[in-house]
Amino acid sequence: AQSVTQPDIHITVSEGASLELRCNYSYGATPYLFWYVQSPGQGLQLLLKYFSGDTLVQGIKGFEAEFKRSQSSFNLRKPSVHWSDAAEYFCAVGAQSGGGADGLTFGKGTHLIIQP
Amino acid sequence: DSGVTQTPKHLITATGQRVTLRCSPRSGDLSVYWYQQSLDQGLQFLIQYYNGEERAKGNILERFSAQQFPDLHSELNLSSLELGDSALYFCASSVRGLNTEAFFGQGTRLTVV
Repeated sequence: AQSVTQPDIHITVSEGASLELRCNYSYGATPYLFWYVQSPGQGLQLLLKYFSGDTLVQGIKGFEAEFKRSQSSFNLRKPSVHWSDAAEYFCAVGAQSGGGADGLTFGKGTHLIIQP
Repeated sequence: DSGVTQTPKHLITATGQRVTLRCSPRSGDLSVYWYQQSLDQGLQFLIQYYNGEERAKGNILERFSAQQFPDLHSELNLSSLELGDSALYFCASSVRGLNTEAFFGQGTRLTVV
């Protein structure tokens, strides 16, 4: 079974500074990888996804992530954070089954705090 | 707005009761997923339906059941509720399976007292 580890429960970053959120996954084959963001009281919004091809993927709101197969990682980055980026970030992995019949496995999330 | 609609937004009920949560997927999406988010367990996949049929099961309790109707809306039924069932329940939809993007609703916050 697949699993996802987000080692950082909380991260505090100054506004304008760069950001990297870590994500490690465990899966036997090439997975589908996702990053979602959840603002307080809101649902989950997809930031970006990796299915295949270029290992550096661009997402919305200026985020990007890099798939590194050798490290089983899919870290999320942003060059300059804004106060509105404060939220909970979830990394998720999905199995590449033919019918796409498996639900996503989520990490525990990283709570991002932005300091003025 | 993701286009996925969940009702109700909030639900407070007593232990032992039964509730039904409703989800309307985005127009054209055939797959519906249900997830439970709690402080101790995090986000957990419960069950998936595709075009009316159950496709995959995750960590769904036997007291919980779901269905997807011909118009593709889905309902999650929770019975014999316990305090530990208090959580945020999300519905997500996608065109087909995971190889297409899944959109999440705003969730239903269930409080069992």
